Amino acid sequence: QKEVEQNSGPLSVPEGAIASLNCTYSDRVSQSFFWYRQYSGKSPELIMSIYSNGDKEDGRFTAQLNKASQYVSLLIRDSQPSDSATYLCAVIRAAGNKLTFGGGTRVLVKP
Amino acid sequence: ETGVTQTPRHLVMGMTNKKSLKCEQHLGHNAMYWYKQSAKKPLELMFVYNFKEQTENNSVPSRFSPECPNSSHLFLHLHTLQPEDSALYLCASSQDEAGQETQYFGPGTRLLVL
Repeated sequence: QKEVEQNSGPLSVPEGAIASLNCTYSDRVSQSFFWYRQYSGKSPELIMSIYSNGDKEDGRFTAQLNKASQYVSLLIRDSQPSDSATYLCAVIRAAGNKLTFGGGTRVLVKP
Repeated sequence: ETGVTQTPRHLVMGMTNKKSLKCEQHLGHNAMYWYKQSAKKPLELMFVYNFKEQTENNSVPSRFSPECPNSSHLFLHLHTLQPEDSALYLCASSQDEAGQETQYFGPGTRLLVL
């Protein structure tokens, strides 16, 4: 079982709709969770970090964490063509600073 | 700009060459990382340095040799690489404190080994 799993996509979303991305992780002691966006040929850039159960909103982005079910999700509201990218889920265990990445979900927002 | 710079941005080298990748962070962080990103593979952690000390070597072949002279600079020395080592090499930095583990990435060096 992979430590961090994501559907590779592509997730095709009409402009203006909500894109919903999911990520599951295998290590129950994981404490810190991150979503990064990576455009083709570029480096990952942080969108959101979340540490406790529940929702965290930042602009058009909402991260949701459920530690009991070991999943973290990202919602993108009012999707724009500029949101077309690969979204990477990353997890840090309780101790240390080793960041484990999922394979990423490619999102395509169609005008 | 994230405050993490990398040079060179592109590198082509032969299997017998020796080259070095450089990373510099201007964020006052005390942890630095090297990652490898190959096509269709997740980002792979290679090395971690905390306060200039190597704390993680993720079973990386010895043809990759990291160096961290201070908390702001990180190098990756390359020698006798293989074509399968062609990838995007990313440097990142973070503050090694609970709740401040967010890692910020540099632009990467795209490496091609011929």
